[in-house]
Amino acid sequence: RKEVEQDPGPFNVPEGATVAFNCTYSNSASQSFFWYRQDCRKEPKLLMSVYSSGNEDGRFTAQLNRASQYISLLIRDSKLSDSATYLCVVNMESGGGADGLTFGKGTHLIIQP
Amino acid sequence: GAVVSQHPSWVICKSGTSVKIECRSLDFQATTMFWYRQFPKQSLMLMATSNEGSKATYEQGVEKDKFLINHASLTLSTLTVTSAHPEDSSFYICSAINPQGSSYNEQFFGPGTRLTVL
Repeated sequence: RKEVEQDPGPFNVPEGATVAFNCTYSNSASQSFFWYRQDCRKEPKLLMSVYSSGNEDGRFTAQLNRASQYISLLIRDSKLSDSATYLCVVNMESGGGADGLTFGKGTHLIIQP
Repeated sequence: GAVVSQHPSWVICKSGTSVKIECRSLDFQATTMFWYRQFPKQSLMLMATSNEGSKATYEQGVEKDKFLINHASLTLSTLTVTSAHPEDSSFYICSAINPQGSSYNEQFFGPGTRLTVL
């Protein structure tokens, strides 16, 4: 079973629409959760962290459901520049140290004019 | 913000040669750096955790004698792919944690190195 699973898409969405991505993770010990964005042939860039209470950053809203081991990302009023691959990422963060991140394969989003 | 650089950005080499990739934290000191690899249309996979002044910790299935990691200073980690073969062709990305940064150990990624082994 894969550790972080995402629907690879592609999601083809008209500009201005709202789109939602989901992600599930298998390790219940995971401590930190993130959404990263990766453009073609580039490094991933942090989009936002995901907190248990849910959090919003402009047009982006992230939700976490620890009981179901499920993470979501909602993008409102989508822009052409939102076209990218969105990576669901978890971190076990044992103790006070730092662990490597576990990445999903990503969901490919295409915003159409 | 925290900036991480990698060099080279791309490299093409012959099978059997060794390739060294550098990862530098430019405006902060990083006690921990990570090396990832990404094959086309696949997720980033953690290869190893590099700790300054100590041996790297490798993930299961990653050969430590093939992927040599040296983290000799707080701003530099190197990954050497020894006796590279075509199956090692991939996008290698490093990341670093800024201990002065956020509380959740945010990782800052380098721009990646695209390795092609002929």
